[in-house]
Amino acid sequence: GQQLNQSPQSMFIQEGEDVSMNCTSSSIFNTWLWYKQDPGEGPVLLIALYKAGELTSNGRLTAQFGITRKDSFLNISASIPSDVGIYFCAGPTGSSNTGKLIFGQGTTLQVKP
Amino acid sequence: DGGITQSPKYLFRKEGQNVTLSCEQNLNHDAMYWYRQDPGQGLRLIYYSQIVNDFQKGDIAEGYSVSREKKESFPLTVTSAQKNPTAFYLCASSPTPPDSYEQYFGPGTRLTVT
Repeated sequence: GQQLNQSPQSMFIQEGEDVSMNCTSSSIFNTWLWYKQDPGEGPVLLIALYKAGELTSNGRLTAQFGITRKDSFLNISASIPSDVGIYFCAGPTGSSNTGKLIFGQGTTLQVKP
Repeated sequence: DGGITQSPKYLFRKEGQNVTLSCEQNLNHDAMYWYRQDPGQGLRLIYYSQIVNDFQKGDIAEGYSVSREKKESFPLTVTSAQKNPTAFYLCASSPTPPDSYEQYFGPGTRLTVT
């Protein structure tokens, strides 16, 4: 079945550093979503990508829809302590009419002040 | 404010008891979803509903039941048949697929069964 593989699984960085993470699949996706989950809370949608090659920013966050449609990337510039959390990628699975998403396992980010 | 509410935030039950988790949304979304999250893992789909009075099983529906009598509400019952019910439960909603795949999540309910 479809799977989304996120890399790296975890990151421990210094405040102010830039962060890069990615999400890959063996299947083609027509939409990529990136979420952030704070400890004990529900995921919050950060960025949605709809077109191969698309590059979209949301403040210090930038995400790209890979040209092959099998991967996506999320970059965080100048990290701050509140960036701590788990970042998930997600994409539609199964029939395009169900709205069902498949989620990656997440990248856990820790930021040292 | 528009959003999704889940209650309670923490829930404790004894083994063998059924328990119902609440999920309400005022976003006027047609579709609603229930996920389960275990420590260090991603989200797994339990049930989803695209329209009132209709719902489908997700990947891990065994031991769970749902109802969708109103557009705004999608309660999840964790039955005694669920072998490992302790987990973090997340409810989400989205506009009518495939117009949008963007799902919006509630704050979650942490269920502990002992």
